[in-house]
Amino acid sequence: DTAVSQTPKYLVTQMGNDKSIKCEQNLGHDTMYWYKQDSKKFLKIMFSYNNKELIINETVPNRFSPKSPDKAHLNLHINSLELGDSAVYFCASSQAGFDSPLHFGNGTRLTVT
Amino acid sequence: DAKTTQPNSMESNEEEPVHLPCNHSTISGTDYIHWYRQLPSQGPEYVIHGLTSNVNNRMASLAIAEDRKSSTLILHRATLRDAAVYYCILRDVMNTGTASKLTFGTGTRLQVTL
Repeated sequence: DTAVSQTPKYLVTQMGNDKSIKCEQNLGHDTMYWYKQDSKKFLKIMFSYNNKELIINETVPNRFSPKSPDKAHLNLHINSLELGDSAVYFCASSQAGFDSPLHFGNGTRLTVT
Repeated sequence: DAKTTQPNSMESNEEEPVHLPCNHSTISGTDYIHWYRQLPSQGPEYVIHGLTSNVNNRMASLAIAEDRKSSTLILHRATLRDAAVYYCILRDVMNTGTASKLTFGTGTRLQVTL
């Protein structure tokens, strides 16, 4: 059973397009996250939701809009894709609280041409 | 989040113990020390965490210096499957609300050879 699953695994698209990445967790966690890993392998948090409420927004361009229909799902929609958006995007989840480890998905590799 | 410093890379032979160091000289009293690792083409994976005392779990051991300004992740018998980037992260218990973001550094790339 995959605990945190993301779709699609690979996404190739052209500049200016709009695309979505979906994430689902079956761990019963309250909190979900989106991280971005760029070409230099730096992992940076983008967003975090707790019970469908946005609690962390790390100065991400407005073209990125997370949506959480329920606490098991956190989708990422990206408008007007740019070359610099090419990266691997990781979804993660955890129980609320500082002491709970994060469980990550295996990533979505987005390539913008 | 406080900064951590790790060597860029380390090598180990299979079946031998590996000690991965981490310096965190500006750690505060409310910072937990967390370790994650990222295997090739996978998402990060939780390894272990601690506050002051040494910790053991099925994956590894965490040795924390008495002054908490450094820590060491110990893999008791490295295998080829342990080849990964290991991240040492400080997580502030007081700066979380209902979630706590993890701030990843550059980590240590561990190579394991036969």
